Amino acid sequence: QVQLVQSEAEVKKPGSSVKVSCKASGGTFSSYTVNWVRQAPGQGLEWVGRIIPGADIPNYAQRFRGRVTITADKSSTTAYMELRSLRSDDTAVFYCARGSLYGDLDFWGQGTLVTVSS
Amino acid sequence: QTVVTQEPSFSVSPGGTVTLTCGLTSGSVSTTHYPSWYQQTPGQAPRTLIYSTNTRSSGVPDRFSGSILGNKAALTITGAQADDEADYYCVLYMGSGNVIFGGGTKLTVL
Repeated sequence: QVQLVQSEAEVKKPGSSVKVSCKASGGTFSSYTVNWVRQAPGQGLEWVGRIIPGADIPNYAQRFRGRVTITADKSSTTAYMELRSLRSDDTAVFYCARGSLYGDLDFWGQGTLVTVSS
Repeated sequence: QTVVTQEPSFSVSPGGTVTLTCGLTSGSVSTTHYPSWYQQTPGQAPRTLIYSTNTRSSGVPDRFSGSILGNKAALTITGAQADDEADYYCVLYMGSGNVIFGGGTKLTVL
């Protein structure tokens, strides 16, 4: 069974960076995309971006471009999302999710709460 | 900028049928957007219901079905149950590796 296990919650200062990890097991890591999805408190789901580990090709949503970097380490089957220049409105739960090339997401991580506060 | 539209809220009676839709502010939704649908209850990660327009994810009951209705993607729940009360999100593939979530529909069963 595919499992995605994310890193623990983080508390960050405004202007700093956060790097969240997503360890995949039980599937073929390189054959799918790994997506990152943000959910601010009380708000909907928002796609941040994705990477194809097998090709090391990232795609980013326009509003996060320039502030986010998504990487993948095939040897440890772990994907990472780094978000820089954090603001208080970045406070959210970030999910990783495995997906196909066509956007559908089949397995989800448990979510990582990132709190940005001075 | 393209926005994916969903009804903000919907209500259905237990045992009833409800159809939630997913549209685009510019253009029509088609199978080439590979619409998918997700259910989320409070405090939980989303659960995948439907992908590629109408394929049910493993373990999803057959009272959930997906389709294209007119110029929108649709999720129909037949015989709604109390535990179907949740937020429902659609996702569209916009090409070139880009994905957009709809704003979500809060479904109440009462």
